Amino acid sequence: GAVVSQHPSWVICKSGTSVKIECRSLDFQATTMFWYRQFPKQSLMLMATSNEGSKATYEQGVEKDKFLINHASLTLSTLTVTSAHPEDSSFYICSAPALPYQETQYFGPGTRLLVL
Amino acid sequence: AQKITQTQPGMFVQEKEAVTLDCTYDTSDPSYGLFWYKQPSSGEMIFLIYQGSYDQQNATEGRYSLNFQKARKSANLVISASQLGDSAMYFCAMREGWTGNQFYFGTGTSLTVIP
Repeated sequence: GAVVSQHPSWVICKSGTSVKIECRSLDFQATTMFWYRQFPKQSLMLMATSNEGSKATYEQGVEKDKFLINHASLTLSTLTVTSAHPEDSSFYICSAPALPYQETQYFGPGTRLLVL
Repeated sequence: AQKITQTQPGMFVQEKEAVTLDCTYDTSDPSYGLFWYKQPSSGEMIFLIYQGSYDQQNATEGRYSLNFQKARKSANLVISASQLGDSAMYFCAMREGWTGNQFYFGTGTSLTVIP
């Protein structure tokens, strides 16, 4: 079946640094990808919709300049957490819809970010 | 209003017994999809089952079945013959409209299977 990968799976960084997380669709093309954030014992909260070849659409309350999203190709979307702070520590998950007219979405394995 | 409501923060079930995880949804869109995902401690989201708003029959996938009651806007997940490996967080989700749109997730239910 379709697979979505994320890299890295774990990242620990110092406060003030930037962290880039990659989301790849491995055997299908994705013109749209979604980025979620999940705090411990909470649900997934949609951060933004990544659109290939155009600007991302951010959910209310998500800072565009802090969470930079680039969807440069049909198989790759990147989320960059700029000037990360401890409160940005979270589990970040991306997803991509399956082929057109298939209902499900495929989720990446997630990236755990810890900002010290 | 919440799009997806899961009222059971935690559930316990005896191994080999069946368990029902509740989910209600709210939408005015006639076209929508309902999903259940399992999230073990590793964090990955594992797709379990899907129900389309126009589907006449309840979806089934192995030990998983979805009790779809459209008039009540509920989409409960039934796990039969529970196994220890079923212990995980379970999320109900909804997609409004056709494929490609964003998902709305419930707050999840933590299921613990007791040996």
